[in-house]
Amino acid sequence: GAGVSQSPRYKVAKRGQDVALRCDPISGHVSLFWYQQALGQGPEFLTYFQNEAQLDKSGLPSDRFFAERPEGSVSTLKIQRTQQEDSAVYLCASSFNRYPTAENEKLFFGSGTQLSVL
Amino acid sequence: DAKTTQPNSMESNEEEPVHLPCNHSTISGTDYIHWYRQLPSQGPEYVIHGLTSNVNNRMASLAIAEDRKSSTLILHRATLRDAAVYYCILRPITSGTYKYIFGTGTRLKVLA
Repeated sequence: GAGVSQSPRYKVAKRGQDVALRCDPISGHVSLFWYQQALGQGPEFLTYFQNEAQLDKSGLPSDRFFAERPEGSVSTLKIQRTQQEDSAVYLCASSFNRYPTAENEKLFFGSGTQLSVL
Repeated sequence: DAKTTQPNSMESNEEEPVHLPCNHSTISGTDYIHWYRQLPSQGPEYVIHGLTSNVNNRMASLAIAEDRKSSTLILHRATLRDAAVYYCILRPITSGTYKYIFGTGTRLKVLA
């Protein structure tokens, strides 16, 4: 497809359940980001990949959160033992640029996965 | 990281110009000013960015103050489709950081 694709669009999980969220970036994009967006707030950075290398995971809130991008394209964000505070929209973005540079970078976001933990 | 300050919300009438302000008094000389917007139920989308000079593209214009401590995103003729949350973000040109710090943005309401 032409844009960043995320699946599922909606996910309902029982507390304690493990979930996996998928991101298909735009073909050829080197950089991939995951963001978490709570209701009424702006997106907050979780982690960054350059190809298959996870260069920054400083935003992951706990060791229950794990992200991978094994072949440098599709990425999966996994949340183990989900808690109610994990309920949010999880956004994936990709960019052609390598980092660090801000001169001509432009992020392309998917529509997100809305996770509800009951 | 340098911070930005935006009004929580603004209203505009359809087909009128909209000026969305952003204050960034602690901006450094190598910070780019980026604007993204987020339509309902969608991820953010790029609008425009600049460093020192004013910038125009098909979506909007970016006016940057001479001292760079503030900027204004200008939508020349607002439409109902422009109703969104607009984020002003500072991006260091070479800092080794991968983070975009979005803040809470300005929610623009367009009245028919």
